[in-house]
Amino acid sequence: ELKVEQNPLFLSMQEGKNYTIYCNYSTTSDRLYWYRQDPGKSLESLFVLLSNGAVKQEGRLMASLDTKARLSTLHITAAVHDLSATYFCAVVNTNAGKSTFGDGTTLTVKP
Amino acid sequence: KAGVTQTPRYLIKTRGQQVTLSCSPISGHRSVSWYQQTPGQGLQFLFEYFSETQRNKGNFPGRFSGRQFSNSRSEMNVSTLELGDSALYLCASSLGTPGYEQYFGPGTRLTVT
Repeated sequence: ELKVEQNPLFLSMQEGKNYTIYCNYSTTSDRLYWYRQDPGKSLESLFVLLSNGAVKQEGRLMASLDTKARLSTLHITAAVHDLSATYFCAVVNTNAGKSTFGDGTTLTVKP
Repeated sequence: KAGVTQTPRYLIKTRGQQVTLSCSPISGHRSVSWYQQTPGQGLQFLFEYFSETQRNKGNFPGRFSGRQFSNSRSEMNVSTLELGDSALYLCASSLGTPGYEQYFGPGTRLTVT
């Protein structure tokens, strides 16, 4: 059974600082997603990573995928308050065709 | 173009009743997936429908069922509701092809009393 582990689960950081969220998964996958969820809201797609070494950037967020290490990272550069949210990674088990989500990382950016 | 819509947005039901939730995907999307989100269990995959056929299924009891219509709209049904079924139910639509991006609807908040 595919397991997805995110860490940290809670992250409090100051504006302007950098940090990385980690997403480890247990079995082979060829697709990994990052989502953002604001309190009381639905999920917003941030990145789709399809191959080993894939790197995508949008604003202050950059995601990467290492399929050999079964690891994806979401790096936050010079955090701002607007980035406060819960971030989820989701891994697709190619054979089963279903997405397994991590527990989410709740990020709070303080001024 | 219009996003994924879900109805109703909020629902209160009594234990033992049944409920039907609806999801209308983005125009042109043929895949609809359903997820349950709870504070204790997080986000869990229920099932995926593609072209009116259930293509994948998560580990939920048979009380949870779904279907998809020819216009790609999907419904999920939960029978004999239990208190633990209280959750945010999210549907996501996609083209359904490899490498697809999923777009989530606003969710239906179900409370079972």
